[in-house]
Amino acid sequence: DVKVTQSSRYLVKRTGEKVFLECVQDMDHENMFWYRQDPGLGLRLIYFSYDVKMKEKGDIPEGYSVSREKKERFSLILESASTNQTSMYLCASTPSGLAGGLYEQYFGPGTRLTVT
Amino acid sequence: GQNIDQPTEMTATEGAIVQINCTYQTSGFNGLFWYQQHAGEAPTFLSYNVLDGLEEKGRLSSFHSRSKGYSYLLLKELQMKDSASYLCAVRDSNYQLIWGAGTKLIIKP
Repeated sequence: DVKVTQSSRYLVKRTGEKVFLECVQDMDHENMFWYRQDPGLGLRLIYFSYDVKMKEKGDIPEGYSVSREKKERFSLILESASTNQTSMYLCASTPSGLAGGLYEQYFGPGTRLTVT
Repeated sequence: GQNIDQPTEMTATEGAIVQINCTYQTSGFNGLFWYQQHAGEAPTFLSYNVLDGLEEKGRLSSFHSRSKGYSYLLLKELQMKDSASYLCAVRDSNYQLIWGAGTKLIIKP
């Protein structure tokens, strides 16, 4: 079974703090994604990566950065957390192919981040 | 702009059938996905349509019409465990997934 894990299920941070969210997948997938999910909105893509050290901006990259030093690990960084970044953050991965390819995405359990 | 529309919430009775609709307007089309998401959990893959027609898998069927920009998910013999949100997503011409906001399905005994 594909397994995607995220470093925390729940996280509370203060405004202005630097926040690291980590995602690890164990299926040797090339593509990895970070989304945020808010009530009443569809999943919104923040960043994705199709190879080590490669990254592409998604629809809402402002206020976020990412790091992919190893194939299995994709980190999302909030440089200076703000209250409007309170959300559920979901990591996903897929096998190789055109940025996401034709495969379904495998999701981690999510991190519910609250910024106070 | 790109848009995926689904009903926000639906209610159905245990043992019955429910149809969840999804309409889309996207720049190009490279497949439509349905995912299930239980409260507080990750989305899990249910079905994939790229051609027109009906795909059946046990209690679940998914229909797609590209010309109409339309899909539905049909769940039969509903069980309480089917209470969840159902997310429709379309892969556009850039192979990016565009997600609907999801339909919360409530099953009553």
